[in-house]
Amino acid sequence: EAGVVQSPRYKIIEKKQPVAFWCNPISGHNTLYWYLQNLGQGPELLIRYENEEAVDDSQLPKDRFSAERLKGVDSTLKIQPAELGDSAVYLCASSLSRAAEAFFGQGTRLTVV
Amino acid sequence: GENVEQHPSTLSVQEGDSAVIKCTYSDSASNYFPWYKQELGKGPQLIIDIRSNVGEKKDQRIAVTLNKTAKHFSLHITETQPEDSAVYFCAASIGKAAGNKLTFGGGTRVLVKP
Repeated sequence: EAGVVQSPRYKIIEKKQPVAFWCNPISGHNTLYWYLQNLGQGPELLIRYENEEAVDDSQLPKDRFSAERLKGVDSTLKIQPAELGDSAVYLCASSLSRAAEAFFGQGTRLTVV
Repeated sequence: GENVEQHPSTLSVQEGDSAVIKCTYSDSASNYFPWYKQELGKGPQLIIDIRSNVGEKKDQRIAVTLNKTAKHFSLHITETQPEDSAVYFCAASIGKAAGNKLTFGGGTRVLVKP
């Protein structure tokens, strides 16, 4: 069974440019998470979806970050415009439900120059 | 909100020795404590977890202990092997489920020397 798939693996953009990350969760997983991981630190939750509904987005900087999960399957996370401080790894995870183990993807490493 | 401190930040052990990583948390309402292993270029992988109604849990060479009174929990790896080299994260959350907001520690980079 395929795990959580994220793309791209790496992205380098200039500051003030937009960028988008894509996540395909494990088939049948209703809960989807986006995490931010700065270098040398633990992941921090940005947003959690239950199916297509964002149930926890309190940590998402809404002035520049947006996310969607149309049809409750794939999800995209967008940053517009990107800032130098956004350079980090963006991790996507999914679980069968909020009561189940979360499986992480390999992440997208973003570098803003 | 919850704050999780993790120590040490780096740990170097000889193959076959034991490794211990310690975490403390601030919110006494936290009751779910997972540990994740992250290898280079990969996402975190759950290796063991413990809930607040249990004091200790073992899975082969890995064990976790929890002291709710002191608000700290530890990961113990016995008979370490080179493939145990990775970054390990502890986490804590309020609620029974992984779906509740997990607060992660800063990570421990473990190096097992052959």
